[in-house]
Amino acid sequence: EAGVAQSPRYKIIEKRQSVAFWCNPISGHATLYWYQQILGQGPKLLIQFQNNGVVDDSQLPKDRFSAERLKGVDSTLKIQPAKLEDSAVYLCASSQKQGFTEAFFGQGTRLTVV
Amino acid sequence: DQQVKQNSPSLSVQEGRISILNCDYTNSMFDYFLWYKKYPAEGPTFLISISSIKDKNEDGRFTVFLNKSAKHLSLHIVPSQPGDSAVYFCAASVSAGKSTFGDGTTLTVKP
Repeated sequence: EAGVAQSPRYKIIEKRQSVAFWCNPISGHATLYWYQQILGQGPKLLIQFQNNGVVDDSQLPKDRFSAERLKGVDSTLKIQPAKLEDSAVYLCASSQKQGFTEAFFGQGTRLTVV
Repeated sequence: DQQVKQNSPSLSVQEGRISILNCDYTNSMFDYFLWYKKYPAEGPTFLISISSIKDKNEDGRFTVFLNKSAKHLSLHIVPSQPGDSAVYFCAASVSAGKSTFGDGTTLTVKP
């Protein structure tokens, strides 16, 4: 079974630039999550999708972050414009059910904003 | 306000001994708890979970204990192996919904 795929693995951008991350969840997984993990901290949920609908985006900074899930499968997370404090690892995870039980994570995208 | 706390940033144990990782939470609504393990440059991987209706769950060398009155859970690894060296995250959720993570504990198992 293929795991959660994310790209790119690494990205360096200047502040005020825009960036996009891509995630392909495990086949058949209806629930998709985007997490932000700042160095030394635990992952923080940004947005949760159930199929292509948003379940929770209460912690997504909507003035600069946006996310979509196309046809209930792949998802993209965009930051525009980026700030220095956005430097983090962005993790995508998916699970078969709506609950977080046994969610599977991708390797993440490490973003550095300079 | 951090609702899930892992107060020990790091732990070092000898191979073959027991590793005990601790986690405290403040939200009494949490009823489902998970432990994830993370190696460098990889995403977290699910390790073990426990529902609030139980006080213990065991899976091979890994056992999670839940003390609801103290709002405390712990992960025991017996015996510890060098391959267990990783960052361990505790997470908690309400009805297995959105999970809140602690900041992790780095476990080092020395050969």
